[in-house]
Amino acid sequence: GAVVSQHPSRVICKSGTSVKIECRSLDFQATTMFWYRQFPKQSLMLMATSNEGSKATYEQGVEKDKFLINHASLTLSTLTVTSAHPEDSSFYICSARRSSGGNTDTQYFGPGTRLTVL
Amino acid sequence: EDQVTQSPEALRLQEGESSSLNCSYTVSGLRGLFWYRQDPGKGPEFLFTLYSAGEEKEKERLKATLTKKESFLHITAPKPEDSATYLCAAAPSGFQKLVFGTGTRLLVSP
Repeated sequence: GAVVSQHPSRVICKSGTSVKIECRSLDFQATTMFWYRQFPKQSLMLMATSNEGSKATYEQGVEKDKFLINHASLTLSTLTVTSAHPEDSSFYICSARRSSGGNTDTQYFGPGTRLTVL
Repeated sequence: EDQVTQSPEALRLQEGESSSLNCSYTVSGLRGLFWYRQDPGKGPEFLFTLYSAGEEKEKERLKATLTKKESFLHITAPKPEDSATYLCAAAPSGFQKLVFGTGTRLLVSP
């Protein structure tokens, strides 16, 4: 168990458009999900913590209005990159923690979404 | 400030050549220490969670250990398929988020 999926796996868009990335916990409920971005050969950078039914908590330096996060259910969180620009091109990865039943400390990661903005 | 440091940055081994990866941490009250494996272009894959000094966990050729300041990931008789980046992360007490190290890139040659 503890499978997390992301959709899409790759997306290419034009500058100025918005892109939505979905993160789903497939076999467990997740009150808390996390969104990261990762640049080549670097470690993960936490962007925001997403809590079901409440507003996300953003890390310092992350623009709330640009990276919209919605966690509408216990199995789904979405990240929308609004008015994307080439500098937003990156690898976006989500993770989820179990709400209950088993290891509730471990973050399980999705496969990632490669965003390319032209 | 909470911090996690991994060494070496990169490690090249011959198949069958055992070695260890190091993860040093300074966090305010460790709640848990996590090891992940990440292949290129993929999300991290969970390996182990360690909670207290002296704890050890094993999975196939990997064994993770924990002291009050460090964690080690021992790789016994590695195979080429063990090639990946290994990430260590610490969770401070009362945590919501993990503090990640920069990872060790392991390459195992046949």
